[in-house]
Amino acid sequence: GENVEQHPSTLSVQEGDSAVIKCTYSDSASNYFPWYKQELGKRPQLIIDIRSNVGEKKDQRIAVTLNKTAKHFSLHITETQPEDSAVYFCAAVLEKLTFGTGTRLTIIP
Amino acid sequence: EPEVTQTPSHQVTQMGQEVILRCVPISNHLYFYWYRQILGQKVEFLVSFYNNEISEKSEIFDDQFSVERPDGSNFTLKIRSTKLEDSAMYFCASSPDRGSGAFFGQGTRLTVV
Repeated sequence: GENVEQHPSTLSVQEGDSAVIKCTYSDSASNYFPWYKQELGKRPQLIIDIRSNVGEKKDQRIAVTLNKTAKHFSLHITETQPEDSAVYFCAAVLEKLTFGTGTRLTIIP
Repeated sequence: EPEVTQTPSHQVTQMGQEVILRCVPISNHLYFYWYRQILGQKVEFLVSFYNNEISEKSEIFDDQFSVERPDGSNFTLKIRSTKLEDSAMYFCASSPDRGSGAFFGQGTRLTVV
């Protein structure tokens, strides 16, 4: 089955700086890659996604890139703010979501 | 905005007891899922359900687990004889089609004592 690796497991960034989280997947048939943000004690919330026929997608301060050949995809957050502090999960979808191990992002004011 | 809803938000049960976790998926969604998250760990897939049957299940989803869609709106997860290691947050999710992102409920925190 699909296996998704995610790095780093923790990331601390000064407010206003950029944060990058990277994931790799194993099944080349996976064709959809969502990112979820989970605040403490809350549900995972879909924040951005990308399909396999697209290399990059941007939504305000967040962007995702996908390299199908290398089977990796990344989340980029620019101009980070304290409310960006959360655990971020990448996922790969073929028929179900397979999650990465999560990145705890802390924005330092 | 439509949401996946789950009840109860927190369930405490004795080891060996049966529990039923309930979910109401988003109404026009066709695919339903249960995931669990042990505290501080990643979200793990349990089972997917489509067209009134299980479409895929993980190794975690053994004979102690079952799912049901008893009517047109509810989707339930039953654990027949709970174990201490079943303590986790259980998330229900739904999606409009296969190969899309899923929308999660707020979770049921199951504590087995």
